[in-house]
Amino acid sequence: QVQLVQSGAEMKPPGSSVKVSCKASGGNFRTYAITWVRQAPGQGLEWMGGIVPSFGSANYAQRFQGRVTITADQSTNTAYMQMNSLRSEDTAVYFCAIDRNYGWFDPWGQGTLVTVSS
Amino acid sequence: QSALTQPASVSGSLGQSITISCTGTSSDVGNYNLVSWYQQHPGKAPRLMIYEASQRPSGVSDRFSGSKSGNTASLTISGLQAEDEADYYCCSYAGFKTYVVFGGGTKLTVL
Repeated sequence: QVQLVQSGAEMKPPGSSVKVSCKASGGNFRTYAITWVRQAPGQGLEWMGGIVPSFGSANYAQRFQGRVTITADQSTNTAYMQMNSLRSEDTAVYFCAIDRNYGWFDPWGQGTLVTVSS
Repeated sequence: QSALTQPASVSGSLGQSITISCTGTSSDVGNYNLVSWYQQHPGKAPRLMIYEASQRPSGVSDRFSGSKSGNTASLTISGLQAEDEADYYCCSYAGFKTYVVFGGGTKLTVL
């Protein structure tokens, strides 16, 4: 059964970039779609974008278009989410998950806390 | 403001049943049978509880059930247990351009 393990917490200054990784094990990475969801402190879930590693192209929620890049490395079964021009409002826990079918996300990674602060 | 509307909180006593609603539009919930529900305990990742509006993944208790009528989906939890106390989020496919939208979440308190 596939499991997702994410990279550790990050603290970044405003205006910088962060790259979060999500490594899959126990399954066939090439057949999955990977999605990214974030959750600001005390807030709800927000879909950011996703990628099908075997296709290579990603799609993004409109509000993240141009500032977020989602990629995947099939050789290491790892997906990445990079966000540029960080601001304090980007402080959140970032989750990756397997997208089974149009919003059916299972399982999820453990989450990565990104704190944006000077 | 979230795209899907959920009550901020619901409560129920041990052993009782509760229902959480999730109201969308004809562009999301009403147009697709692709509604999912997630349970999230504090400090944990969300867990899939229902997919395709009413399907239960293996390992999820049959006390959890989902339904949909028009633009509103619902999650019902019967025989409430203490461990059901958590936040619950609905999610719906919303077409190729938007992809998916989430509800704002509902905090379930078990009395």
